[in-house]
Amino acid sequence: GAVVSQHPSWVICKSGTSVKIECRSLDFQATTMFWYRQFPKQSLMLMATSNEGSKATYEQGVEKDKFLINHASLTLSTLTVTSAHPEDSSFYICSARALIAGSSTDTQYFGPGTRLTVL
Amino acid sequence: GIQVEQSPPDLILQEGANSTLRCNFSDSVNNLQWFHQNPWGQLINLFYIPSGTKQNGRLSATTVATERYSLLYISSSQTTDSGVYFCAVDLGGGADGLTFGKGTHLIIQP
Repeated sequence: GAVVSQHPSWVICKSGTSVKIECRSLDFQATTMFWYRQFPKQSLMLMATSNEGSKATYEQGVEKDKFLINHASLTLSTLTVTSAHPEDSSFYICSARALIAGSSTDTQYFGPGTRLTVL
Repeated sequence: GIQVEQSPPDLILQEGANSTLRCNFSDSVNNLQWFHQNPWGQLINLFYIPSGTKQNGRLSATTVATERYSLLYISSSQTTDSGVYFCAVDLGGGADGLTFGKGTHLIIQP
């Protein structure tokens, strides 16, 4: 149980284009999902918190107009990188907070990540 | 914000060896999780352990919340244990994202 998927796994795009990344909780409902970014050989940094039916909360220094987040249902959140530039190239990982019997309500489960390369 | 420090940053061991990874954090936490990131980037949940001790096979973890540290023990290491181990915490409520340490890069040599 507690499986989180992401699509696509990797994407290469031209500078100036927009890219949408999907995050789905496959076997549970997630009222809260999180988006992280990881640069090579570095740790994960929280970008934003996504709540179903409401606006996302962005961490300091993250441009909300560049990284659009939509949490349309209890199982789907999307991250759109608008007008992507080479410096946006990174590994983007989502997580979902699971409410599962026998598990802590605070446990986060992570998707496999999406590797974005902007040329 | 909360600070999370992991040590050592790098660790190279022979297969069969035991290891201890440490995570120090600067404030009281509601949630502490240990992850293993495999070479493809997937984060694998190892433990949810804001306090106490847990064991899962060759792995075990202990968190001493009052002293603000957690330890991850790996016994009888295998080459498949190689990768980066992250400790991550949040301050409360479950609505907060996790703050990650910089990780320990573990290499198990055959």
